[in-house]
Amino acid sequence: LAKTTQPISMDSYEGQEVNITCSHNNIATNDYITWYQQFPSQGPRFIIQGYKTKVTNEVASLFIPADRKSSTLSLPRVSLSDTAVYYCLVGASMDTGRRALTFGSGTRLQVQP
Amino acid sequence: DTAVSQTPKYLVTQMGNDKSIKCEQNLGHDTMYWYKQDSKKFLKIMFSYNNKELIINETVPNRFSPKSPDKAHLNLHINSLELGDSAVYFCASSQDLGLAGGRTDTQYFGPGTRLTVL
Repeated sequence: LAKTTQPISMDSYEGQEVNITCSHNNIATNDYITWYQQFPSQGPRFIIQGYKTKVTNEVASLFIPADRKSSTLSLPRVSLSDTAVYYCLVGASMDTGRRALTFGSGTRLQVQP
Repeated sequence: DTAVSQTPKYLVTQMGNDKSIKCEQNLGHDTMYWYKQDSKKFLKIMFSYNNKELIINETVPNRFSPKSPDKAHLNLHINSLELGDSAVYFCASSQDLGLAGGRTDTQYFGPGTRLTVL
């Protein structure tokens, strides 16, 4: 099963820009990259999805280099309410050819005042 | 209205018991999932159903048996519960599984069921 890697945790202060990177070395050609946010005692919530280059919405930006072996979620001017766990999700090719969804291990972002 | 609902929210039981967790989605989606999240926050997919058909079945003990009576419901039955089954179980749904085209549809998660096995 393809492995995705994210930093375990990150700290930031209110008003700063936060960048969280996910590595996904054997992403399949057609796979999209999706990021989710999870607050304590809640289910994950969709943030953003992209295939290549850059995607931006009202919440975040997603940067994907040409080789697509990694992606970076960028949160502009974080606030205390952005404190959460952030997951990277890619479709992944398995050895048997059967494909499955793979969540990264998640990055715990702590925003300080 | 809750898009994806799960019952119960908390479940405390003894080893060896059999229990079920129910999930319902009112989004009209074709695909539903079960995930397990352990104490370290690793989120692992267990099963996926598309239009009541099992699509993904990860390496999960056969004590876990999903049942989809219709495409709006995906229940999880667990036999002979073990201590290691303690976790938070999330149900989710999406319009489509999307694997064929490579695009994973946005998944909508339920609030989770915290299972504690004593």
